[in-house]
Amino acid sequence: KAGVTQTPRYLIKTRGQQVTLSCSPISGHRSVSWYQQTPGQGLQFLFEYFSETQRNKGNFPGRFSGRQFSNSRSEMNVSTLELGDSALYLCASSLRSRADTQYFGPGTRLTVL
Amino acid sequence: KNEVEQSPQNLTAQEGEFITINCSYSVGISALHWLQQHPGGGIVSLFMLSSGKKKHGRLIATINIQEKHSSLHITASHPRDSAVYICAVTQGGSEKLVFGKGTKLTVNP
Repeated sequence: KAGVTQTPRYLIKTRGQQVTLSCSPISGHRSVSWYQQTPGQGLQFLFEYFSETQRNKGNFPGRFSGRQFSNSRSEMNVSTLELGDSALYLCASSLRSRADTQYFGPGTRLTVL
Repeated sequence: KNEVEQSPQNLTAQEGEFITINCSYSVGISALHWLQQHPGGGIVSLFMLSSGKKKHGRLIATINIQEKHSSLHITASHPRDSAVYICAVTQGGSEKLVFGKGTKLTVNP
């Protein structure tokens, strides 16, 4: 089976812009979770989608949003980018939930200038 | 206090040494995960535990639910084991995934 894929792998944006990141889960996986990783805060949970519905959300501002399509592919969007949004954004898929084994994608490295 | 605490933060070992990384958590969990992250960012799930012990090759993970503690052991360590090891817990109820800060392991030849 192909692994979790994320596009793009690298992205440079300027403050105030918006960005959309994409994640394709492993075939058959219905749960997709998004995480932000920064040197200062480490890994933090953003949100989880299951069957096109947001099932859980971390403590991030409303500028961070996401969605999941019927084929389980997911996108996350960050509007009005701030310098502090520079991070590695990882998505992970699992069969049903975050209590199952998580399979991580390679991540998207976002730099905000 | 973080909900998931790992120790040590940094660990340097010589090839062949037995390594232990510890993880303590303060919340009720439905599962505990050990993850490995190599330079460049890719994360691999090593183990998912809800009780007892699991072994995969030279890696062993144990969990003590009563003490809210887990350990990751690496036997006969090798330079290719050099990575950051991250403990994460799936909180019971919310299923929120909470991560430790990671342990950076360096194995010298």
